[in-house]
Amino acid sequence: GENVEQHPSTLSVQEGDSAVIKCTYSDSASNYFPWYKQELGKGPQLIIDIRSNVGEKKDQRIAVTLNKTAKHFSLHITETQPEDSAVYFCAAYNTGNQFYFGTGTSLTVIP
Amino acid sequence: DAGVTQSPTHLIKTRGQQVTLRCSPISGHKSVSWYQQVLGQGPQFIFQYYEKEERGRGNFPDRFSARQFPNYSSELNVNALLLGDSALYLCASSLQGTNGNTIYFGEGSWLTVV
Repeated sequence: GENVEQHPSTLSVQEGDSAVIKCTYSDSASNYFPWYKQELGKGPQLIIDIRSNVGEKKDQRIAVTLNKTAKHFSLHITETQPEDSAVYFCAAYNTGNQFYFGTGTSLTVIP
Repeated sequence: DAGVTQSPTHLIKTRGQQVTLRCSPISGHKSVSWYQQVLGQGPQFIFQYYEKEERGRGNFPDRFSARQFPNYSSELNVNALLLGDSALYLCASSLQGTNGNTIYFGEGSWLTVV
């Protein structure tokens, strides 16, 4: 099956700086990669996603890049704000009707 | 528009008991998936249902079962509860099957087994 690794496990940045979270996957058949933000006591919320036929996607301050050859994808958050503080999960989808999630990155934005 | 709704939000059960968790998908969504999230970990896939049929099953014991109803809502049942079943149980819905389709999570049901 698929194995998704996520780094770092914790990340602290100053408000206004950028944050980068990286994930690698093992199965070259994976073709869809969403990112979720989970606030304390809540369910994961989709923030951005990318499909294997695209190399980069942006949505305001958030961007995701995908390198299929190296089998890794990254989340970039620019101009971070305190409300960006949360746990972020990457995921990969291939056949089998299931998503495989990373272990999460706890992001703290320091005002 | 209502998102994915789950009930109950919190519950405490004793080892050996049985629990039923409920989920209503986003209106128009026909697929429901269940995930278990242990504290400090990412969600782990349990089941996926589409059009009332099981379309995927994760690596969980037979104590875990689920079903989907004609209105596309779903129930997850766990029998003979163990302490290790304590977790956040997440339901996610998608328009069709999860075949590359985006899944949207509910707020989850927190299960504590004592």
